Amino acid sequence: RKEVEQDPGPFNVPEGATVAFNCTYSNSASQSFFWYRQDCRKEPKLLMSVYSSGNEDGRFTAQLNRASQYISLLIRDSKLSDSATYLCVVNIGGGSNYKLTFGKGTLLTVNP
Amino acid sequence: NAGVMQNPRHLVRRRGQEARLRCSPMKGHSHVYWYRQLPEEGLKFMVYLQKENIIDESGMPKERFSAEFPKEGPSILRIQQVVRGDSAAYFCASSPPTGSPQHFGDGTRLSIL
Repeated sequence: RKEVEQDPGPFNVPEGATVAFNCTYSNSASQSFFWYRQDCRKEPKLLMSVYSSGNEDGRFTAQLNRASQYISLLIRDSKLSDSATYLCVVNIGGGSNYKLTFGKGTLLTVNP
Repeated sequence: NAGVMQNPRHLVRRRGQEARLRCSPMKGHSHVYWYRQLPEEGLKFMVYLQKENIIDESGMPKERFSAEFPKEGPSILRIQQVVRGDSAAYFCASSPPTGSPQHFGDGTRLSIL
């Protein structure tokens, strides 16, 4: 089983749609969780951290279910500028080892 | 407030040559991480360094690859005797001592002829 597994995608949605990405991780000792976005093979950019209580940042909502080892990202009212690859990222290292493990990414294309 | 600085942006080498990739962390960041992204693949962890120390190099190939983060100057990822399979985008990230968040540089695209 892969350490971090995401929906394979790609997702093609019209502007204004709501889209959800799912991700599972294999190591129950994982400590920190993030969503990054990556545009056209550029550098990954942190979108948001994911907390157990769930968190929201504008149109973006992230959820974490530790029991199911499942992470989600919801994008509401999608914009053309949301088109990118979304990366589910987990810190599996434990303790003070902060290395990140990335999912392969899910490509989102928002169409006019 | 400069972000993570990587250079060069693009590097072309012939098989058998050496490649040196540089990374200067964000101001105030003492932890540096190197990741590699092969064509059509996700990012893979290579090595995690603090000043003058390698914390975790479990993702780095045992041969030909080395990394350092000296007391003064940037972190260096060095690849000796490059082969075609080393062609990839190499991203450096840095973080504060808490480990989060990690911010990434623009990457170095390494092409091997």
